[in-house]
Amino acid sequence: GAVVSQHPSWVICKSGTSVKIECRSLDFQATTMFWYRQFPKQSLMLMATSNEGSKATYEQGVEKDKFLINHASLTLSTLTVTSAHPEDSSFYICSGGQGDNEQFFGPGTRLTVL
Amino acid sequence: KQEVTQIPAALSVPEGENLVLNCSFTDSAIYNLQWFRQDPGKGLTSLLLIQSSQREQTSGRLNASLDKSSGRSTLYIAASQPGDSATYLCAASNSGYALNFGKGTSLLVTP
Repeated sequence: GAVVSQHPSWVICKSGTSVKIECRSLDFQATTMFWYRQFPKQSLMLMATSNEGSKATYEQGVEKDKFLINHASLTLSTLTVTSAHPEDSSFYICSGGQGDNEQFFGPGTRLTVL
Repeated sequence: KQEVTQIPAALSVPEGENLVLNCSFTDSAIYNLQWFRQDPGKGLTSLLLIQSSQREQTSGRLNASLDKSSGRSTLYIAASQPGDSATYLCAASNSGYALNFGKGTSLLVTP
């Protein structure tokens, strides 16, 4: 199957700082990428949908000014958590796909905000 | 909005048993349904993808079925092994949109 990478795999930061997470499709072009968040013992919840070259679409309850998404190329999407707070600590996972086809998931990024 | 439910939430079986994990979804107009495995603190491993036009998919000891009319999918694991211990997630996709995940079934296979 296709490969999606994420960087970093884990990050610890101080409250108030910003953190950028990269999601790359390594062997395919992802016209659409999705960002999910998973809190402990919970399932994955969709945060936003990003389409290459256009603005991201955010799910209800997700602050677009706090979670900045950029999908500038067909192989890279970035999620920036701005002014992170402890409640933003979570497991962030991205996925990439081509149209309606199967989604391929990255390995996830564990964010801990102190 | 598509709602996905998985039963049971947790399951413990002795090694060698065959087992069935259940998944139900509210909107039968799905495009596809995927089963994933997630190990603690790790990302997702895709196990099986069933398109809406298909009834089942098989990979090794795994078999997944899809019944759109009843809004159900099952994942059958044959001859379970301790290495199968993980959380299994079911996710449904409506056309052109992201996956809606269930909360998962935590499986423990004891030696």
